[in-house]
Amino acid sequence: EAQVTQNPRYLITVTGKKLTVTCSQNMNHEYMSWYRQDPGLGLRQIYYSMNVEVTDKGDVPEGYKVSRKEKRNFPLILESPSPNQTSLYFCATLRTGGSDTQYFGPGTRLTVL
Amino acid sequence: RKEVEQDPGPFNVPEGATVAFNCTYSNSASQSFFWYRQDCRKEPKLLMSVYSSGNEDGRFTAQLNRASQYISLLIRDSKLSDSATYLCVVNIRGYGGSQGNLIFGKGTKLSVKP
Repeated sequence: EAQVTQNPRYLITVTGKKLTVTCSQNMNHEYMSWYRQDPGLGLRQIYYSMNVEVTDKGDVPEGYKVSRKEKRNFPLILESPSPNQTSLYFCATLRTGGSDTQYFGPGTRLTVL
Repeated sequence: RKEVEQDPGPFNVPEGATVAFNCTYSNSASQSFFWYRQDCRKEPKLLMSVYSSGNEDGRFTAQLNRASQYISLLIRDSKLSDSATYLCVVNIRGYGGSQGNLIFGKGTKLSVKP
């Protein structure tokens, strides 16, 4: 079954404690990205990756890092989380050619106290 | 001007009603267009792509007007299960090899009542 998985699904942490949200896909898609979704602001792209070892900033990259060492994984790293990073995070992959369909992971709800 | 703007909603309609969502985009170079559906606290899922010729999938019809930079989604005979938030999505870098940068509208919430 084609899928995008994220872990953890829920996380409550404290300011300054480094954390990583993992994202993995089994569809062999080159393009992966991270979004955050906040009430009234919609989905905003944090970072994206067009292929292994290629990453670029999206619209709201401050406070986040990513890596793309292998095609299937695209972890999101918060080196020093702050309360304004409390949000719902989605990882997504893009199948290009034809319909350019984007597939989303189930989301990670992060609370930073 | 925001890149993708949608009706603010929420739309509260009775079962069986026809409801239309509108969306405008600001980048005239936008190449591909989509409607996504998002249920509460769940991930967005592709509902349908939108083509210049318009396209229909059962009770859903999507249309694109490039001259007006306008996209619409029509839902006929709405069901309780159609209750969700509908997101208008634009790819500003085109199809295929350009990979793309998807810009999401903030979404319009639909609530279908019995």
